[in-house]
Amino acid sequence: GDSVTQMEGPVTLSEEAFLTINCTYTATGYPSLFWYVQYPGEGLQLLLKATKADDKGSNKGFEATYRKETTSFHLEKGSVQVSDSAVYFCALRDTGANSKLTFGKGITLSVRP
Amino acid sequence: GAVVSQHPSRVICKSGTSVKIECRSLDFQATTMFWYRQFPKQSLMLMATSNEGSKATYEQGVEKDKFLINHASLTLSTLTVTSAHPEDSSFYICSARDQGGGQASSYNEQFFGPGTRLTVL
Repeated sequence: GDSVTQMEGPVTLSEEAFLTINCTYTATGYPSLFWYVQYPGEGLQLLLKATKADDKGSNKGFEATYRKETTSFHLEKGSVQVSDSAVYFCALRDTGANSKLTFGKGITLSVRP
Repeated sequence: GAVVSQHPSRVICKSGTSVKIECRSLDFQATTMFWYRQFPKQSLMLMATSNEGSKATYEQGVEKDKFLINHASLTLSTLTVTSAHPEDSSFYICSARDQGGGQASSYNEQFFGPGTRLTVL
């Protein structure tokens, strides 16, 4: 079945540091890939997505490239801010309009001033 | 963008009582909504898929008689936790799939509500 594996956390960085959060997936079809962010006490917000191989999703300075050859969708940001402190979830939705989202375990990012 | 609301945001109830949580899509139609449960510092666990006008589809291990789902309209799904117990305390999050009426760019994407914190005493 489908699965998403995220690197173990938590991650603590200083402001303006470079961020990489690893995500790899297993899927039977040709999934769409997502990164969601959850701020404390809130629901999930879609951060970015990519629907096919080699697509790059980007938003708010974050980027992730759909790598089919390595089945990965790593999240990167060149310079993190304190306001980026949150939990980040990688997810996939397999082919089929009614497919469900499969989430990774999530990773907590804390950014120090 | 597409907005999903949940009500209430927080609820505290006594053991044995029932609690209803509402999930609404505010600016789009959603024939499909999803209910998730999230334990502290863990990922989201899909509980059930709510289908407008038909029965919900429950994931394995989720008691359908305990977690009643009603999806009576294209913009509203409700989750009722019946005879709640302390172990039901959790963060419940709904999401709705945009299936029309909103922006074209969000069609078929899932949008999440802000969550409901349930505490059963």
